[in-house]
Order: sequence, then C-alpha cells, then structure tokens
Amino acid sequence: EADIYQTPRYLVIGTGKKITLECSQTMGHDKMYWYQQDPGMELHLIHYSYGVNSTEKGDLSSESTVSRIRTEHFPLTLESARPSHTSQYLCASSAIQGHNEQFFGPGTRLTVL
Amino acid sequence: GENVEQHPSTLSVQEGDSAVIKCTYSDSASNYFPWYKQELGKRPQLIIDIRSNVGEKKDQRIAVTLNKTAKHFSLHITETQPEDSAVYFCAPKTSYDKVIFGPGTSLSVIP
Repeated sequence: EADIYQTPRYLVIGTGKKITLECSQTMGHDKMYWYQQDPGMELHLIHYSYGVNSTEKGDLSSESTVSRIRTEHFPLTLESARPSHTSQYLCASSAIQGHNEQFFGPGTRLTVL
Repeated sequence: GENVEQHPSTLSVQEGDSAVIKCTYSDSASNYFPWYKQELGKRPQLIIDIRSNVGEKKDQRIAVTLNKTAKHFSLHITETQPEDSAVYFCAPKTSYDKVIFGPGTSLSVIP
C-alpha cells in the first residue's frame, strides 16, 4: 500500500549529537517536505524538494540540511542537536500535477537533553 | 510575503451544533484551498478542498465556501460530533506553487 514512512518514531539524544531523520514514500510523488510542529501547534516548513537533486529552504531551516538523491527518500540531518530542537518532525509528499494534496508521515518525536 | 490567518484560534461547541472556521490569505492568485484535520497524536489529513473556479463544495457534514474577491474561505461542520474535536489547518496554494499552512484552529466538541 502506498504510504509515507518515518524512522525513528521516537528519539532521545544528548546535546551536540548529529542525527538523521529518515523519510521514505511509496506514493510516487515528486514533491517532499519537512515540517517542525509542537503538539497541536503551527506547522513550520523546514525544507522542501521538487524532485531529485532539488532542495529549498523553508521558513525554519537553520542548523539542518536535507538531500534528495532518490525520488522516494528525503532525509533530514541536524548537525548538532540542541534542546531547542525538541519537537515533532513531520515529513510529507505531494504530486506535482493535480490537486497537490499533501500526505503526511506519522512523525518523529525528538527530545534533546 | 504571503500571509495566512485563521479565525478563531480556538472554538468550543456543543455536540450537534455547527462550527465555522475562516481562513484569510493574501495572494489573490491562489488557486487551491484545502482544509486539513489533525487529531491528537495523529498526522494531518486532508478532509475537503476546493479549487478557484468553484464557490462551494460539500461532503456529508462538512463544506467549504470560497470568496475569492474577499480572499477568504471557510470550513463549515454541521451536526458536530465528539470525533470532530481536532486542530484544523487551512493551506492555500499560492501562485508560486507554494503551500502555506495557517496557524490552526483547535475545535472542541462538548458532549
């Protein structure tokens, strides 16, 4: 079944560690997105991509990087985690043509001690 | 830059009453107007959308109305039920093919 997968689902790490959050989709979508969201709060766009080798910064992209080497894979890397990075990270994808509905993954809940 | 607002930010209604959430946007060339629902601990999911050439769309108890002249669109939920309790986000697509999520409206349906 077509879906979006995120790993890990939960992560607790210490300050200063480098981490990569994984996102994969089997939807066949070209567009992919990363959002940061505290529970029940606003979705902040961190990075997005329109296809392979395309990446753009969102409103909240500092201290993180992304890559898009394969259409189905869009990992997010925090070079040096800080307590302010504690949040939920949601990956999403959408088609380029058509209604552009965004489909979201289940999220990764990150805690930085 | 583009601006998206939602009103109200929180809404409490009695079960069975109607709820209306309004989304205003700044880009007059926006052409796609969806509403997403996010239940507690779950991922956001599209519940209804409308395109710029249509004024209203209904799907059972939910409807979306669009006023392009005034640059706003609204989510209407009738006969509310406890399972309608969630955070609702509008996400208009701008002329630059960029989607901007509103800040969200927390709806509580009181049994």
